[in-house]
Amino acid sequence: EVQLVESGGGLVQPGGSLRLSCAASGFTFSSYWMSWVRQAPGKGLEWVANIKQDGSEKYYVDSVKGRFTISRDNAKNSLYLQMNSLRAEDTAVYYCARARDVWGKGTTVTVSS
Amino acid sequence: DIQMTQSPSTLSASVGDRVTITCRASQSISSWLAWYQQKPGKAPKLLIYKASSLESGVPSRFSGSGSGTEFTLTISSLQPDDFATYYCQQYNSYPCTFGPGTKVDIK
Repeated sequence: EVQLVESGGGLVQPGGSLRLSCAASGFTFSSYWMSWVRQAPGKGLEWVANIKQDGSEKYYVDSVKGRFTISRDNAKNSLYLQMNSLRAEDTAVYYCARARDVWGKGTTVTVSS
Repeated sequence: DIQMTQSPSTLSASVGDRVTITCRASQSISSWLAWYQQKPGKAPKLLIYKASSLESGVPSRFSGSGSGTEFTLTISSLQPDDFATYYCQQYNSYPCTFGPGTKVDIK
């Protein structure tokens, strides 16, 4: 079964850091672009970042550039999002997605003092 | 950045109705558009990619059309399971922007 499972969310103070992980299974992880998409409470979807199959290309939404880093480990079938200098407006459910067609259930990040 | 708009923002409909949602891009995105369905507390589900290609396993009552800057998602006969929020997303260029969503609720 094709599956993506996110982890690493939680409550963090403004200015803090978190590292999200996404474990992939049931498909050849190294063959796909991967994405992070987030959804603030009661709001719409916001694309956050993409990474190419070999990690050689990475793209970010402007609001996270310089603070978030997307990465992957194809040997571990895992996708990551390192989030630094977190702000209240980063509070959201963070989804990992395979290009567009397979999504995880999400992990919740709350930035609050 | 390419801005995406959707209309209407909310749509009240009955089971069996034909429903059409429109998505517009601020500049041409060719056919690089996807449609998603999202239910409360759940992850989005891909319905349509490349503007008109039906994702595997998605019922044929869903269809997509358009190119350039104007796109539509049509549900030919609304079913109880279709009450949800629908989003379009362009992936022609970065950032890959989503529309604000269209909530389809029960009339």
